[in-house]
Amino acid sequence: GIQVEQSPPDLILQEGANSTLRCNFSDSVNNLQWFHQNPWGQLINLFYIPSGTKQNGRLSATTVATERYSLLYISSSQTTDSGVYFCAVRDTGRRALTFGSGTRLQVQP
Amino acid sequence: EAEVAQSPRYKITEKSQAVAFWCDPISGHATLYWYRQILGQGPELLVQFQDESVVDDSQLPKDRFSAERLKGVDSTLKIQPAELGDSAMYLCASSFGGIQYFGAGTRLSVL
Repeated sequence: GIQVEQSPPDLILQEGANSTLRCNFSDSVNNLQWFHQNPWGQLINLFYIPSGTKQNGRLSATTVATERYSLLYISSSQTTDSGVYFCAVRDTGRRALTFGSGTRLQVQP
Repeated sequence: EAEVAQSPRYKITEKSQAVAFWCDPISGHATLYWYRQILGQGPELLVQFQDESVVDDSQLPKDRFSAERLKGVDSTLKIQPAELGDSAMYLCASSFGGIQYFGAGTRLSVL
């Protein structure tokens, strides 16, 4: 099946700093979503971005499907951004999402 | 805003007991998924429904796990008997237009 690798696995930032999270995948995809999992375990949709670039406030994402990677940018980080960020993809042969192992972000005041 | 509802939020049970989790997807979403998330890992699919039909249960441990969606709306996931290794977060999701929306999950602890 498709492989999804996220980097870095852990990231510690000071409040106000910017960061870039990366997601590499091993095959063609027709769906890519970024999620934020809060400390209570809820997975919150950030972006549905199988290709192209989107922005939502301090967050933006870019997927280059032909090169099999996606990037999530967080600008001016806040303590509430802390949690685990997951990239999940769906390849053309499957209907469910395959998740990466996540990037654990800690934003310190 | 419509949400995927799950209950209970937390469940503590003893080994060899039966447990059940319930999920009500967002209204109108025909596709429903159950995922299991072990601590420190990403969620992994257990079973996927299209309306009331199972379309993928290849990763469901069928000797102890069962899932149903009788009327094509809400769904129940059951474990009988529970084992220590079943301790995890159980997440339900529904999808529309290719986008999956997740519920808050049920955190299961097996003692």
